[in-house]
Amino acid sequence: DAGITQSPRHKVTETGTPVTLRCHQTENHRYMYWYRQDPGHGLRLIHYSYGVKDTDKGEVSDGYSVSRSKTEDFLLTLESATSSQTSVYFCAISSGGYTDTQYFGPGTRLTVL
Amino acid sequence: GENVEQHPSTLSVQEGDSAVIKCTYSDSASNYFPWYKQELGKRPQLIIDIRSNVGEKKDQRIAVTLNKTAKHFSLHITETQPEDSAVYFCAASLSGGYNKLIFGAGTRLAVHP
Repeated sequence: DAGITQSPRHKVTETGTPVTLRCHQTENHRYMYWYRQDPGHGLRLIHYSYGVKDTDKGEVSDGYSVSRSKTEDFLLTLESATSSQTSVYFCAISSGGYTDTQYFGPGTRLTVL
Repeated sequence: GENVEQHPSTLSVQEGDSAVIKCTYSDSASNYFPWYKQELGKRPQLIIDIRSNVGEKKDQRIAVTLNKTAKHFSLHITETQPEDSAVYFCAASLSGGYNKLIFGAGTRLAVHP
């Protein structure tokens, strides 16, 4: 597995509370991504980053924000968690250039009560 | 928006049989098509990929075919084994750069001994 870790791995929180998920990589890859995985929907892109402080929205970005202050860390924040954000969240990395392959982290299971 | 349709959603085969999963994409600029395997509770892992300048690619019991004119690609697994049981996702690259991918909804493959 590529050097990607996610923390926490499991979290239970209540509606309305803020939540931050962390993705950390040791591969020095330029691109980083946050996905959510829900039954019947595959993996849907929330936000992505193409460099330090460079981020953009994916297809399901409402209710989420991200930050990338250094190459190795990409943070996903739910400002005010809702039950619809209960999901498994995966971070992925890609080196960029001709090699498009994305490698995934181990995932974070988030439950919003 | 762009999408990838994947069929079937579930597939059950006997050990030793072949399995075929098909995907259709909408973005005519897509030029990279990876396949991921996800075992229960684990991260998606790349098993094979193909680029638009190639029509077919094989890796032992796994092969992928691409028809750019029809905008569809398929995963073929021969001589299936119980350890092939997993959820398989197809994906297609999106135009606009940054190695973004759009995923199909997944196929749950069960291989029965």
